[in-house]
Amino acid sequence: AQTVTQSQPEMSVQEAETVTLSCTYDTSESDYYLFWYKQPPSRQMILVIRQEAYKQQNATENRFSVNFQKAAKSFSLKISDSQLGDAAMYFCAYRSNNQGGKLIFGQGTELSVKP
Amino acid sequence: DAGVIQSPRHEVTEMGQEVTLRCKPISGHNSLFWYRQTMMRGLELLIYFNNNVPIDDSGMPEDRFSAKMPNASFSTLKIQPSEPRDSAVYFCASSFPGTNTEAFFGQGTRLTVV
Repeated sequence: AQTVTQSQPEMSVQEAETVTLSCTYDTSESDYYLFWYKQPPSRQMILVIRQEAYKQQNATENRFSVNFQKAAKSFSLKISDSQLGDAAMYFCAYRSNNQGGKLIFGQGTELSVKP
Repeated sequence: DAGVIQSPRHEVTEMGQEVTLRCKPISGHNSLFWYRQTMMRGLELLIYFNNNVPIDDSGMPEDRFSAKMPNASFSTLKIQPSEPRDSAVYFCASSFPGTNTEAFFGQGTRLTVV
């Protein structure tokens, strides 16, 4: 069975600085998809960025980028020029290309941004 | 589209009572997921459906939990009887066909069992 691990329960960053959130996963599949979701205090789950496992190029979305290391099964999220609005819980997620598209999440990392 | 709609937003019930959580997925989505979120366990996948058929319910914690999807526009998660340890936020999410697509989440139901 696949698992997703986020080893940092909490992280803190100074406004305008850069922070990296870690995520590792375990799978025997070769084709899958990875996501980062953001959950602000409103509780709404918001997609931040996605990565297809067959693509070597790391995905980027404005200030958000990933470092995808397929061999190491690592998928970290980098937030550049951090803003107060980035403060939230961040979840790493794995979606299987088999098993009917099973979607599982890590435990989450709570990010605080200091002004 | 209004997004994934869950009801109720908040539910407080007494131990032993039956609780039913409801979800309306986004029209056209064929995958539906139920998750439970707690501080200790994060976001746990309870069960998911494709085309109204349950694919994997291995995350359902006990026989007290059951889920149904009678049609493409409605799903329920039922807990009977409820216990205090069931207190959590329950999320429903849906997605388009294709595993490369993101899942869209509802606002969640905060369940408190006293």
